[in-house]
Amino acid sequence: DSGVTQTPKHLITATGQRVTLRCSPRSGDLSVYWYQQSLDQGLQFLIQYYNGEERAKGNILERFSAQQFPDLHSELNLSSLELGDSALYFCASSVVGFGGYTFGSGTRLTVV
Amino acid sequence: DAKTTQPNSMESNEEEPVHLPCNHSTISGTDYIHWYRQLPSQGPEYVIHGLTSNVNNRMASLAIAEDRKSSTLILHRATLRDAAVYYCILRDQYSGGGADGLTFGKGTHLIIQP
Repeated sequence: DSGVTQTPKHLITATGQRVTLRCSPRSGDLSVYWYQQSLDQGLQFLIQYYNGEERAKGNILERFSAQQFPDLHSELNLSSLELGDSALYFCASSVVGFGGYTFGSGTRLTVV
Repeated sequence: DAKTTQPNSMESNEEEPVHLPCNHSTISGTDYIHWYRQLPSQGPEYVIHGLTSNVNNRMASLAIAEDRKSSTLILHRATLRDAAVYYCILRDQYSGGGADGLTFGKGTHLIIQP
């Protein structure tokens, strides 16, 4: 157990639907990061939150959004899903600027 | 972002040392060199990081060139469980506004032969 908890582990949904992925960071970490990993794109940085505020955006689509709550857990919302959104979604947490990231075990999203 | 270059794949034998190279010729003075690995069907796992001096931990050693333009991750005695994709990444210690999402390249696919 890395200390970063992601739920659900697996999700199967239809095109056009909306899903929410949840992440609880490691205790004490204020930064949360979301990554997408598909077979052809590798690990892509989506977005970072720090203590409730958005800090950095990567290759995140407009159909996707995220937020970090006062208890520091984060949610990634994916809407109008397409087949190409099928991927592993990882959450990581860190102390900004120091040490390493701790990744969760990921959510495998399958869009059918 | 400063970029890194790694071989696509490497092969080694079990119980032998493995040296995984990484080139980062455009590294800046505040960039830390981080290594992560990803085992099949798992999330990436932090391995080690360093700035200028060589570093050791229970998982591996990190050797950093004097000019910091390259580094080598050393697994002292590879096991089958070390078969993974290894990523070399630069992380700016002083990212503006605390924005420091890591940029993963394709990494090195390490194959361990029994």
